Amino acid sequence: EVQLVQSGAEVKKPRESLKISCKGSGYSFSTYYIAWVRQMPGKGLEWMGIIYPGDSDTRYNPSFQGQVTISADTSISTAYLQWSSLQASDTAVYYCARPGRPYSSSSFDLWGPGTLVTVSS
Amino acid sequence: QSALTQPASVSGSPGQSITLSCTGTSRDIGAYNYVSWYQHQPGKAPKLMIFDVSKRPSGISDRFSGSKSGTSASLTISGLQAEDEANYYCASITSSNTFVFGGGTKVNVL
Repeated sequence: EVQLVQSGAEVKKPRESLKISCKGSGYSFSTYYIAWVRQMPGKGLEWMGIIYPGDSDTRYNPSFQGQVTISADTSISTAYLQWSSLQASDTAVYYCARPGRPYSSSSFDLWGPGTLVTVSS
Repeated sequence: QSALTQPASVSGSPGQSITLSCTGTSRDIGAYNYVSWYQHQPGKAPKLMIFDVSKRPSGISDRFSGSKSGTSASLTISGLQAEDEANYYCASITSSNTFVFGGGTKVNVL
């Protein structure tokens, strides 16, 4: 079955670091982009950035550049989203998503279930 | 990058047709035929409803159709059903080689 499986919910304190994951299965992980999408409480979807696991080419939404790091490990078919110092405003659900076609990043037809990140002192 | 502009909500009765609008710029919707639409229901992952302006993924009802004119795009839902109640987001590739969503439209089925 083609799917994206995300790591579980996290509760962290401000200034702590965090790395969440998204594991792809049932397809050639290296040839499909993986994007990260944020949904803050009561708000809409925001595209954070994208990585092509095959060569680690990464692009960021300017609003998130420098705030998070996107990476991937093709040996275990897993993409990551990480923070070095969390803030309360990072509280959100984070989705990973995959395009419907290899080498494409124009639309996303496969989504993970989301990871809830709660940052609170 | 600025989010695409969508109305906050649209309402309709069962069986009616409704159209959701999405306004962008010459740097996103106007530049490419890569508009997509997503249905997002509470507690679920977003679901792709339309890609490449007007194409439907396998399994998506033909009650959903998409179009584009200039820097604006539209999603039409025909024969509105209670199960269509959700938030709908438009999206597009941008000339900066990034991706942008709209603010979302809440569809209410009366």
